[in-house]
Amino acid sequence: EIVLTQSPGTLSLSPGERATLSCRASQSVSNDYLAWYQQKPGQAPRFLIFGASSRAAGIPDRFSGSGSGTDFTLTISRLEPEDFAVYFCQQYGRSPYTFGQGTKLEIK
Amino acid sequence: EVQLVESGGGLVKPGESLRLSCAASGFTFSSYTMSWVRQAPGKGLEWVSAISGDGVYRHYADSLKGRVTISRDNARNSLYLQMSSLGAEDTAVYYCARGFLTGYCSDNWGQGTLVTVSS
Repeated sequence: EIVLTQSPGTLSLSPGERATLSCRASQSVSNDYLAWYQQKPGQAPRFLIFGASSRAAGIPDRFSGSGSGTDFTLTISRLEPEDFAVYFCQQYGRSPYTFGQGTKLEIK
Repeated sequence: EVQLVESGGGLVKPGESLRLSCAASGFTFSSYTMSWVRQAPGKGLEWVSAISGDGVYRHYADSLKGRVTISRDNARNSLYLQMSSLGAEDTAVYYCARGFLTGYCSDNWGQGTLVTVSS
C-alpha cells in the first residue's frame, strides 16, 4: 500500500499570500496519478487537480499542481477567503487508492 | 447535472451488517468507475472501495478486505456497499463518488450517508 504523507498538518496564512502544500508518497506513484481535493466543513470534497498537474473543470488558475514520482505540491498562488479549507491528496495509480491525512489551511 | 444520492446509513449495533446504496443520475452510469470513500468524525478521508464501469474489477482497502463488498446495477444506475461485522471504527460518513474519465480519482461526490456503530 502506498502511504501518502501531507505537510504541514496546518498552514496559517493571510488572504493574498501564497500557499504551498506538500504530499509525499512512500513509493513512486504510477503515471503520476495524483489528485488533490478541497473540503470545507460539512461539505463533500471538491475535485481540484488530476494527473499531478492538470486542473479539473471550473477550478481557478490560482490553483496549480506539480511534482512527479514521490513528491507532489499543490500551490495556491494568491489566497482568496474561500480557499481556507482542508486539502487532501490521493494516489490512484495503484490499488488501494490511498489518501493523505490532509492539510488544514487556516486564516492567520 | 451529475447527482449522487447515498442512502442506507443509520445506527447499527456492533457485529451487525449494513448495505449502503447510491443512486446516480445525470450521466451514463455504466461508463464510469465508482468509489466509496468514508470519513470518521473529525478525521480525514479514507478510501474504501472502487469498481469498474462494467463491474468486473473491484478494489478494496487492505484494512477492510473481507468485510466489505462493492457492487453495482447498471440497469438501475445504482452502486452498493455491503458491510459486515461492523465495529465502532466503522462509524463515519460514507461518500459515493464518480470516477474521473476511466480512472479512480473522483470528480463528483454525493453528500454522504452517516453510519453510526454503537450499542
